[in-house]
Amino acid sequence: AQTVTQSQPEMSVQEAETVTLSCTYDTSESDYYLFWYKQPPSRQMILVIRQEAYKQQNATENRFSVNFQKAAKSFSLKISDSQLGDAAMYFCAYSGVASRLTFGEGTQLTVNP
Amino acid sequence: EPEVTQTPSHQVTQMGQEVILRCVPISNHLYFYWYRQILGQKVEFLVSFYNNEISEKSEIFDDQFSVERPDGSNFTLKIRSTKLEDSAMYFCASRETSGRTETQYFGPGTRLLVL
Repeated sequence: AQTVTQSQPEMSVQEAETVTLSCTYDTSESDYYLFWYKQPPSRQMILVIRQEAYKQQNATENRFSVNFQKAAKSFSLKISDSQLGDAAMYFCAYSGVASRLTFGEGTQLTVNP
Repeated sequence: EPEVTQTPSHQVTQMGQEVILRCVPISNHLYFYWYRQILGQKVEFLVSFYNNEISEKSEIFDDQFSVERPDGSNFTLKIRSTKLEDSAMYFCASRETSGRTETQYFGPGTRLLVL
């Protein structure tokens, strides 16, 4: 079974600074997808970014980018120029042959003004 | 922009009662999912649904749970006899095509409290 691990329960960053959230996963599949979802206090799940495992190029979405290391099974999220609105719980998630999403434990990000 | 909607946003029920949580997926989506999140814990997969039948379910999804697509728009999760441990946020999600490249879009969730 696939597992997703987020080893940082909490992180904080100063507004306008850069922060990196870590995620590792375990799988025997060769073709899969990885996602970062954001969950603000409203508890809505919002897609931040996604990465296809077969792509070597790291995905980017505006201020959000990933560092995907397939051999190391690592998938970190970098948030540049952090804004107050980035404060939320961030979940790393995996989707393989079965389309279900497997989530990590989450990282609570605080942005300090 | 199309979005997944869920009703009710909050539900309080007594242990042993039946509850039905409702979802309206994005209109051209074909795959539907239910997840739950117990307070302070990670999001857990419950069930996926395609072509009017369950395509996959987790060990959490026991005989107390059922899903249905009663018409062309709604997707429901029924809990027959609620337990205290069913208290959680329940999320519906939908996906457009059979390709796994398509992202699952989540609804805002229903917060269920079982007393």
